[in-house]
Amino acid sequence: GENVEQHPSTLSVQEGDSAVIKCTYSDSASNYFPWYKQELGKRPQLIIDIRSNVGEKKDQRIAVTLNKTAKHFSLHITETQPEDSAVYFCAASVRDTGNQFYFGTGTSLTVIP
Amino acid sequence: NAGVMQNPRHLVRRRGQEARLRCSPMKGHSHVYWYRQLPEEGLKFMVYLQKENIIDESGMPKERFSAEFPKEGPSILRIQQVVRGDSAAYFCASSSRTSVETQYFGPGTRLLVL
Repeated sequence: GENVEQHPSTLSVQEGDSAVIKCTYSDSASNYFPWYKQELGKRPQLIIDIRSNVGEKKDQRIAVTLNKTAKHFSLHITETQPEDSAVYFCAASVRDTGNQFYFGTGTSLTVIP
Repeated sequence: NAGVMQNPRHLVRRRGQEARLRCSPMKGHSHVYWYRQLPEEGLKFMVYLQKENIIDESGMPKERFSAEFPKEGPSILRIQQVVRGDSAAYFCASSSRTSVETQYFGPGTRLLVL
């Protein structure tokens, strides 16, 4: 089955700096890669996603890149703000079949004011 | 439009009791997924259901755990004879038939087994 690895497990950045979180996956059939943000005690919230026919997607300060050949994808947050502090999870799945998400183990991001 | 609803939000059970967790998907969503999150870990898939059907239960423990999504009413995750290791946050997510890949999560049920 699919195996998703996520690095780093913790990340601290100064406010205004950029943060990058990286994930790798093992199953070449995976074609949908969402990113979720989870604040302490809250539900995971979808912040951005990318499909395998796209190499990059951007939404304001958040961007995601995908390298299908290398089977890795990354989340980039620019101009970080204290409210970006949370745990971020990447996931992989096979779209269109409603298959399960395979989640990474999470990155705890702390933005230092 | 209400999001995914789960209840109870917190549940305390003693070892050997039964736990019933309920999930009401977003309006118009017919796909439900259950995930378990252990403390400081990622979410692990348990089961995927559509109305009256279990589509994929490959992540469900073979014993004590069961799930259903009846024609009417919420999806239920049932854990019989709970043990301390069942203590976790249980999240359900739902998606629509037309956008099946996008899963929206509920607030979770935090189960504590004493």
